[in-house]
Amino acid sequence: ETGVTQTPRHLVMGMTNKKSLKCEQHLGHNAMYWYKQSAKKPLELMFVYNFKEQTENNSVPSRFSPECPNSSHLFLHLHTLQPEDSALYLCASSQDRGGQGGTGELFFGEGSRLTVL
Amino acid sequence: AQSVTQLGSHVSVSEGALVLLRCNYSSSVPPYLFWYVQYPNQGLQLLLKYTSAATLVKGINGFEAEFKKSETSFHLTKPSAHMSDAAEYFCAVSGDNDMRFGAGTRLTVKP
Repeated sequence: ETGVTQTPRHLVMGMTNKKSLKCEQHLGHNAMYWYKQSAKKPLELMFVYNFKEQTENNSVPSRFSPECPNSSHLFLHLHTLQPEDSALYLCASSQDRGGQGGTGELFFGEGSRLTVL
Repeated sequence: AQSVTQLGSHVSVSEGALVLLRCNYSSSVPPYLFWYVQYPNQGLQLLLKYTSAATLVKGINGFEAEFKKSETSFHLTKPSAHMSDAAEYFCAVSGDNDMRFGAGTRLTVKP
């Protein structure tokens, strides 16, 4: 198994659908992250989980709902999305969060390309 | 608060030419600095990192970067560009908080 695995790699959904993105890390890390990457925009940090507890929510609309059942798995539940939510969603993990003794080095998955029609 | 600025959103070089991608950082504590590379429709892959050891850091694919505290810089270089180097490159900093990324530089390599 590779370090950080994301499924599905591609997802097309209508605005009224409900879907979920899944991320799994096999690195024994304590922190997991969701990033959004849109065309011509910087990487946007959406959510951070540290030891399964959500520690950061960067003003993300409620139509995005994260879930972290354990330190190895992270989900992003999607409902009533808008076309502008179409983007590459990247999951990452780190041994520890930056500023908490470690380097905060991130290990990324391949991403889930989301298209909202 | 920490941040990075990447000068030039797009850099174009000829195959075999020097690659220089610029990154300046701001940090209130000694920083950890990173360069990541992203190929189309893929995640970010670590190229190299500075974690307070040697100031000249060597990474994968022949890339290297030098930490210059006096200039608050961490520029990425490669002596001779290859077609396969065409990608998006991100500079990032951590140290007092979660990693912060620059806006990215798209490298084009002309034959």
